[in-house]
Amino acid sequence: EIVLTQSPATLSLSPGERATLSCRASQSVRGYLAWYQQKLGQAPRLLIYDASTRATGIPARFSGSGSGTDFTLTISSLEPEDFAVYYCQQRSNSLTFGGGTKVEIK
Amino acid sequence: QVQLQQWGAGLLRPSETLSLTCAVYGGSFSDYFWNWIRQPPGQGLEWIGEIRHNGNSNYNPSLKSRVTISIDTSKKQFSLKLSSVTAADTAVYYCARGDGAKVYDWGQGPLVTVSS
Repeated sequence: EIVLTQSPATLSLSPGERATLSCRASQSVRGYLAWYQQKLGQAPRLLIYDASTRATGIPARFSGSGSGTDFTLTISSLEPEDFAVYYCQQRSNSLTFGGGTKVEIK
Repeated sequence: QVQLQQWGAGLLRPSETLSLTCAVYGGSFSDYFWNWIRQPPGQGLEWIGEIRHNGNSNYNPSLKSRVTISIDTSKKQFSLKLSSVTAADTAVYYCARGDGAKVYDWGQGPLVTVSS
């Protein structure tokens, strides 16, 4: 099973700042890496798939990059509604999620 | 726009079998992978398994011995059974639509509690 490790566990930032979230895989997942946003009490929402493709309706301030084992989700300028938990997910073999990064207001 | 509506028992005793069903409204039923994903309170997401319209299924290896996912294409429904539950199976259980590589749409995710 491929293990996804997200860092940091918590990111404390102010609105308008840039957020950089990391996801590292225990072995190559090629490009099958997705990112989700989850707000309290809600189901996750797909943000990015195939490492760098934004899902329908996702603002351009969200971007993804990386390949192989190292991936990054960047939020260029945090809006108040972006404070949430973010998960990466791979489907190279069995589907697995990372442990999540909480982006909180500083 | 697809909607996923799920139901099932919300409170179980240890050793019982968890049973949930998800109905799909709108969109194609045959073009997608139908998933079950769970989230223990305050914790991260865990994929349970998936099924396609033809009945082909895949499961999380850590749960495989206790999980059965089935599908009823005539009703556009799919179901989850998880046997021999313990308190560790207490979680929000989501049904979800995906394409095998990612998950697009999620059900409302009821909390299922296992307690004696």
